[in-house]
Amino acid sequence: ELKVEQNPLFLSMQEGKNYTIYCNYSTTSDRLYWYRQDPGKSLESLFVLLSNGAVKQEGRLMASLDTKARLSTLHITAAVHDLSATYFCAVDSSNSGYALNFGKGTSLLVTP
Amino acid sequence: GAVVSQHPSWVICKSGTSVKIECRSLDFQATTMFWYRQFPKQSLMLMATSNEGSKATYEQGVEKDKFLINHASLTLSTLTVTSAHPEDSSFYICSAKGTVDPYEQYFGPGTRLTVT
Repeated sequence: ELKVEQNPLFLSMQEGKNYTIYCNYSTTSDRLYWYRQDPGKSLESLFVLLSNGAVKQEGRLMASLDTKARLSTLHITAAVHDLSATYFCAVDSSNSGYALNFGKGTSLLVTP
Repeated sequence: GAVVSQHPSWVICKSGTSVKIECRSLDFQATTMFWYRQFPKQSLMLMATSNEGSKATYEQGVEKDKFLINHASLTLSTLTVTSAHPEDSSFYICSAKGTVDPYEQYFGPGTRLTVT
């Protein structure tokens, strides 16, 4: 069974600070995804990481993937209030028909 | 491009009744659609995978006779919750994979079901 673990599950940080969210997964996976979810809304795709060493950046968010360690990170730089949301990582595999296995999510609150 | 819609966006139904949720890919052909369920403050859990023209594959613990999934065309999948009970109240989200980008799943806006 493919397991995905995120930490921390809750994160309160001040504006302007940096922080990293970690995502570990248990078995070989084809791809690693990061999503953002605002309250009452569906998922917004942030990043799709396809290979070992992949790094992608969009604004204040940067995601990386280490397939050997089965670890992905989502780094937040100089946080702003608008980044407050829940962030999910997910992995897929051919064994599951490419359905996504999600982590529990990290609820991020950025305060002034 | 790659837009997925869901209808309705929210629905309230009485216990014992059935409700149908539609998931449509508006501008691409969805060869595979996935149905997820999300309880408040929890993660998304896969319910079933459906391929166009085939029977859906349900995850362990998901009752296929209660959650009827039909994927009759390359742009439409439906989830029918039969004999709904209050514990079925949840946020149901579909996603679709197609030929636009083989690595991407496109999520619908979700349907909030409340069973009274």
